[in-house]
Amino acid sequence: AQSVSQHNHHVILSEAASLELGCNYSYGGTVNLFWYVQYPGQHLQLLLKYFSGDPLVKGIKGFEAEFIKSKFSFNLRKPSVQWSDTAEYFCAGYTGNQFYFGTGTSLTVIP
Amino acid sequence: DAGITQSPRHKVTETGTPVTLRCHQTENHRYMYWYRQDPGHGLRLIHYSYGVKDTDKGEVSDGYSVSRSKTEDFLLTLESATSSQTSVYFCAIRVDRTYNEQFFGPGTRLTVL
Repeated sequence: AQSVSQHNHHVILSEAASLELGCNYSYGGTVNLFWYVQYPGQHLQLLLKYFSGDPLVKGIKGFEAEFIKSKFSFNLRKPSVQWSDTAEYFCAGYTGNQFYFGTGTSLTVIP
Repeated sequence: DAGITQSPRHKVTETGTPVTLRCHQTENHRYMYWYRQDPGHGLRLIHYSYGVKDTDKGEVSDGYSVSRSKTEDFLLTLESATSSQTSVYFCAIRVDRTYNEQFFGPGTRLTVL
């Protein structure tokens, strides 16, 4: 069955620390992958997406993600986090008209 | 936000009562989705629609039905609400022309007592 998994459930960082959140997918065929962010009390917003081409994808707010096909991974990174990055982050994959979401990673950034 | 609205935004109801949530979009996108979001589970697909009167089940469809009589409206119905259906419900549309990006509505917080 198609699935997307996130291994970090809760991450706590100090401001200016580097961030890497893991995401793995378990389906073949065409790979469309996404990272979404959900700020407290809000809906999901798209951070970045991968469809083809350059495996290093840059998104909004200084985030980037690298698609590594051999590892079935699409990890999210940011070199220096800010307090305003405190939010929940979801990885998602698209295949067969459906989207599959990971369970989310809650990021808390301490000033 | 792709012109997506959801109503109501908050609802408290009692076990056994029917509940209908509405998702409305203004851009005529073909695909629409209903998800529920629960702590520790992320977003789980309930139903989706790929056109007027065309719908399909998702991962957690039991206890839910949907209808789409117009392109712009996608209704989610809980025929007889249960406490396990207390959740936040999000509607989303898929934008084909931008490589299947999804945009989400603001959500409906439903509490079943």
